[in-house]
Amino acid sequence: AQTVTQSQPEMSVQEAETVTLSCTYDTSESDYYLFWYKQPPSRQMILVIRQEAYKQQNATENRFSVNFQKAAKSFSLKISDSQLGDAAMYFCAYRSDGGSNYKLTFGKGTLLTVNP
Amino acid sequence: ETGVTQSPTHLIKTRGQQVTLRCSSQSGHNTVSWYQQALGQGPQFIFQYYREEENGRGNFPPRFSGLQFPNYSSELNVNALELDDSALYLCASSLGAGVLNTEAFFGQGTRLTVV
Repeated sequence: AQTVTQSQPEMSVQEAETVTLSCTYDTSESDYYLFWYKQPPSRQMILVIRQEAYKQQNATENRFSVNFQKAAKSFSLKISDSQLGDAAMYFCAYRSDGGSNYKLTFGKGTLLTVNP
Repeated sequence: ETGVTQSPTHLIKTRGQQVTLRCSSQSGHNTVSWYQQALGQGPQFIFQYYREEENGRGNFPPRFSGLQFPNYSSELNVNALELDDSALYLCASSLGAGVLNTEAFFGQGTRLTVV
């Protein structure tokens, strides 16, 4: 079974600064997807960024980028130019590729605080 | 394009009772997954429905059951509620059970409190 570990229960960053959230995972599969989701106080999970394991290039979405290290099974999220609206719980998630269902395995989350 | 909607938003039940939570999937999506998110934890996969059939189940007892209707909306039923069932229940819809490159869209969840 796959597991996802987020070792930072809480992180804080100053507005306009850069912060990196860590995630490691364990799997015996070679093809899979990794995700970062944001959960603000509204509770709705919002997809921030996605990485396909077969792609060597790290995914980027505007101020959000990942550092995907497949051999190390590491998948960190970098938020540049942090904004007050980035404050939320961030979850790292794993999904098998080619499976018959769309099961996501989540980590326990990192609470990000953005200080003005 | 309508999003994923869940009802009710909050619910309080007594231990031993039964509860039904509802989810309307995003327009065009035929797959619904349910997750349980306990306080301070990440969501845990309960089960998934694809074209009205259960298509994968997590480590949850049989008192957690579900349905998917022809319009792809879904219900989560929990019988004999226990205090540990108190959690946020999230519904996610997507297009296709095993189709690649589809994104799961989440609703805002139902907060269930069992007293």
